[in-house]
Amino acid sequence: EADIYQTPRYLVIGTGKKITLECSQTMGHDKMYWYQQDPGMELHLIHYSYGVNSTEKGDLSSESTVSRIRTEHFPLTLESARPSHTSQYLCASCQGASSTDTQYFGPGTRLTVL
Amino acid sequence: KNQVEQSPQSLIILEGKNCTLQCNYTVSPFSNLRWYKQDTGRGPVSLTIMTFSENTKSNGRYTATLDADTKQSSLHITASQLSDSASYICVVNDRGSTLGRLYFGRGTQLTVWP
Repeated sequence: EADIYQTPRYLVIGTGKKITLECSQTMGHDKMYWYQQDPGMELHLIHYSYGVNSTEKGDLSSESTVSRIRTEHFPLTLESARPSHTSQYLCASCQGASSTDTQYFGPGTRLTVL
Repeated sequence: KNQVEQSPQSLIILEGKNCTLQCNYTVSPFSNLRWYKQDTGRGPVSLTIMTFSENTKSNGRYTATLDADTKQSSLHITASQLSDSASYICVVNDRGSTLGRLYFGRGTQLTVWP
């Protein structure tokens, strides 16, 4: 079982609210990722980080932002949530630089914006 | 266009029976292919990984095959158990960068009935 945690697990909020989804890992992994997943659909990469103070946008355009001030934390923030942001958000981390290194996923945060 | 296609979309089998899930991909250049298991409300967990030179890999009751020439993979589950009920996701990694880019299938939703 991977030591990667996400909070909250479920979140229901109103439109316009600012939210932060937390992701932390205790494995000392340099690389961390945020994915968005809708029911029955594939995961889409929205942000990734290769280390402290390094963040990049992924393949899917997202209005969210991320930060990487500490190795173990990779929070995702939505300044003004909208119903279109309703989705499951999965955080992952990876140890090495090889393409065969495993990405370990957190349990996800299911976000519903009313 | 999704470059990883999985079939069937969903599958129901009785406990104790075997089943095979399919994955076809068009990702090129190819680095490796993984099968992940995703329980409802959880993050994906890696089951197997195969590189170009490997054509079969087992993990307990799970056996994955890879035909890199036809760009097809399968995941065979033997003597299914109720706990096998989950979504099984095929993920292909290209060799475009150090870590490569991950291409996710939409998954096969497997339900095992008692």
